[in-house]
Amino acid sequence: VQLVQSGAEVKKPGSSVKVSCKASGGTFSNDAITWVRQAPGQGLEWMGRIIPILGLANYAQKFQGRVTITADESTSTAYMELSSLRSEDTAVYYCAGALDNGFDPWGQGTLVTVSS
Amino acid sequence: QSALTQPASVSGSPGQSITISCTGSSSDIAGYNYVSWYQQHPGKAPKLMIYDVTNRPSGVSNRFSGSKPGNTASLTISGLQAEDEAEYYCSSYTTRTSGVYVFGSGTKVTVL
Repeated sequence: VQLVQSGAEVKKPGSSVKVSCKASGGTFSNDAITWVRQAPGQGLEWMGRIIPILGLANYAQKFQGRVTITADESTSTAYMELSSLRSEDTAVYYCAGALDNGFDPWGQGTLVTVSS
Repeated sequence: QSALTQPASVSGSPGQSITISCTGSSSDIAGYNYVSWYQQHPGKAPKLMIYDVTNRPSGVSNRFSGSKPGNTASLTISGLQAEDEAEYYCSSYTTRTSGVYVFGSGTKVTVL
């Protein structure tokens, strides 16, 4: 299974962005889909995850109230929506599947640029 | 500020072995066997190298190995090769309020 993400986005401060992640060549397993972001020149940051079969999502405290992760099992697609965007949200956003408690495979990444 | 601490850089000559440390607490590394390691080359997505402390995914070289003595996890790369030059991140399940999982700060591995 490969994870294929939607294309790059340019957004204005205060707006929202919704990034998709589609399982290609297979379907979602019972495992979680995790979202991770990486600001330019910075490290990896865990944002949250969803277990599609349960529809249960967990979020990092830092993003609580601003991020919503959903999944559509019928299309094997997960979504990450981030609202109230600010310049510090400029980053590459990755989705990843699960191999036990590891993150695998990874999507190709989606660059989100927040600029006025 | 990452919850897991890694050295900023580690270097070694081809053929040598190097070890990258990842220090946490009883809320993460010391409390659970859910440590994973990722390799990231510039401009590329991360790649899972080790999961659940010691397990290697299919296709990952056996030159990569993981361990976890106490509240510090370690990734060892033996027989260092030029293509191992990359950024490496650890991750762990956590019961801190910050989230379900947390990443380390990252370590740049340089092959001399």
